[in-house]
Amino acid sequence: SQKIEQNSEALNIQEGKTATLTCNYTNYSPAYLQWYRQDPGRGPVFLLLIRENEKEKRKERLKVTFDTTLKQSLFHITASQPADSATYLCAPKAAGNKLTFGGGTRVLVKP
Amino acid sequence: NAGVTQTPKFQVLKTGQSMTLQCAQDMNHEYMSWYRQDPGMGLRLIHYSVGAGITDQGEVPNGYNVSRSTTEDFPLRLLSAAPSQTSVYFCASLGGNTEAFFGQGTRLTVV
Repeated sequence: SQKIEQNSEALNIQEGKTATLTCNYTNYSPAYLQWYRQDPGRGPVFLLLIRENEKEKRKERLKVTFDTTLKQSLFHITASQPADSATYLCAPKAAGNKLTFGGGTRVLVKP
Repeated sequence: NAGVTQTPKFQVLKTGQSMTLQCAQDMNHEYMSWYRQDPGMGLRLIHYSVGAGITDQGEVPNGYNVSRSTTEDFPLRLLSAAPSQTSVYFCASLGGNTEAFFGQGTRLTVV
């Protein structure tokens, strides 16, 4: 069956450092992979999308890599700030298929 | 442009009661889906639809029904509420291979 795995343990990081989150998937052939941010009590908000033929994507302080051979995506927050504290969700998706999410990784950036 | 609108925001039901959670989007998206999120957990897919007249089951469909008579609306029906259905419910819509937009969520308590 299809499985999406993210670190369930919270990631505690000092302000200014780089946070790196991992998303592994099995039994998927995604056409693209998305990352979302979720704050407590709110719905997820889209951050980045990376396609299967792209190795890396950047948006401001965010960087995403996508390795279809390893079936893994890495999500980096550089120069992290306390405002980056949230839960981050990954969602690999095949074209025309359902949208499902990993369990999310909570990030806590300490000043 | 309202995006995805979910109603109600909060609801308390007695065991055995039925109700419908409403979800509407004004972005002409073909794909819509319902998730539930329990404390400290990720989003679990209940049902999804890839277009009007087409619905399919997700990971946790038992106890829920859906229909998609129009592109705009995707209601979720609880047939006979149980305490195990106490959760926060999110509706989402997705247009093509782009980002998903989420509603504000419905916090449901079944007593």
